[in-house]
Amino acid sequence: EAGVTQFPSHSVIEKGQTVTLRCDPISGHDNLYWYRRVMGKEIKFLLHFVKESKQDESGMPNNRFLAERTGGTYSTLKVQPAELEDSGVYFCASSQDRGTAWGAFFGQGTRLTVV
Amino acid sequence: AQSVTQLGSHVSVSEGALVLLRCNYSSSVPPYLFWYVQYPNQGLQLLLKYTSAATLVKGINGFEAEFKKSETSFHLTKPSAHMSDAAEYFCAVSDLGDSSASKIIFGSGTRLSIRP
Repeated sequence: EAGVTQFPSHSVIEKGQTVTLRCDPISGHDNLYWYRRVMGKEIKFLLHFVKESKQDESGMPNNRFLAERTGGTYSTLKVQPAELEDSGVYFCASSQDRGTAWGAFFGQGTRLTVV
Repeated sequence: AQSVTQLGSHVSVSEGALVLLRCNYSSSVPPYLFWYVQYPNQGLQLLLKYTSAATLVKGINGFEAEFKKSETSFHLTKPSAHMSDAAEYFCAVSDLGDSSASKIIFGSGTRLSIRP
């Protein structure tokens, strides 16, 4: 069974450019989460989808970040325009029923560097 | 609100020695607790989880953790460290328990180094 996959694994972009990160959750997992770890700091929650609906987007830092999950399958996270402070590792995770009570499966992460 | 606190951002032990990584939690609902590990250049991997069954939880790679309600702790241990255990370890809690709206809240992480 395939795990959570994220694309790309690394991305280096210039300040002001746009980047789109993609996450493919484990098949059948309705819950999809985005997290971010800025260098040396904590892993912070960004948002939570249940199927195609945003359950909780309280962690999104500002309106330069846009997440979508059309059709309730894969999800994209777009940063437009990117700023230097957006650099970090973006993790995606998915889980089955009952939210994260039984844990969540994480992808390898996308390392974003904004220069 | 639920939270976890990891004591020690960096722990160094000798190969073969006991590994002890400390985690304390705060939760207003019965907690669901986890330890995740991130090996160099890899993603987050679930090491073990406590979901209100046995208080001593065994995980992968010889790790285990004990849930102690009286101490609000969920420390991670391994009797004998191996060089391959060098990684960053995260204690975490499911913030709304078994609610479908729950999300995982992470501690700040502990980097484990193993001395030859």
